[in-house]
Amino acid sequence: SAVISQKPSRDICQRGTSLTIQCQVDSQVTMMFWYRQQPGQSLTLIATANQGSEATYESGFVIDKFPISRPNLTFSTLTVSNMSPEDSSIYLCSAGKFGLAGGQEQYFGPGTRLTVT
Amino acid sequence: AQKITQTQPGMFVQEKEAVTLDCTYDTSDQSYGLFWYKQPSSGEMIFLIYQGSYDEQNATEGRYSLNFQKARKSANLVISASQLGDSAMYFCAMREGGSFQKLVFGTGTRLLVSP
Repeated sequence: SAVISQKPSRDICQRGTSLTIQCQVDSQVTMMFWYRQQPGQSLTLIATANQGSEATYESGFVIDKFPISRPNLTFSTLTVSNMSPEDSSIYLCSAGKFGLAGGQEQYFGPGTRLTVT
Repeated sequence: AQKITQTQPGMFVQEKEAVTLDCTYDTSDQSYGLFWYKQPSSGEMIFLIYQGSYDEQNATEGRYSLNFQKARKSANLVISASQLGDSAMYFCAMREGGSFQKLVFGTGTRLLVSP
């Protein structure tokens, strides 16, 4: 299985500031994704991080608010810009590749708990 | 319409008993994948099991098995011999399409295992 690490694991930030979350995967993966989980809610995809090109954003998410980089196959960053208390969530990085048996495997990092005051 | 429906907001089971967590899905694709994840209070998402739409046999991983009923569009998770450490949120998710696509998640089921 792919091991995914995220930094920071949690942070408390003031409104109006920005936070960059890093995601590192221990092996080359095909796809990397960023999800948001608001308190008590399920996961919602923010965007697909594309290696060497602009991320693909889901409806309701924009690049100015959530800029994403993916400079290589094992690393990506998500920035939460101009934060407000509504941005308080767990942000999860996910990566996928084909498993040895041909099935797909998709793993998640440990998440970053963000609280905006 | 909801793509993934988990109708059980909470489930209770006694230790060592088996429990089934329900998941139904909606898709017009012929090729798709179904995933189950466990999320303990720490917040991490732990991959449990995967079922491809063309897989003829139900997926199994240790104490986890997926009861895949394609005609009924259901992919229920069965946990056998429940343990206290199984207490967590469980999410069903679906990937549509034949290549890597995003996962769409259900609302989750909170499982509580009692001694």
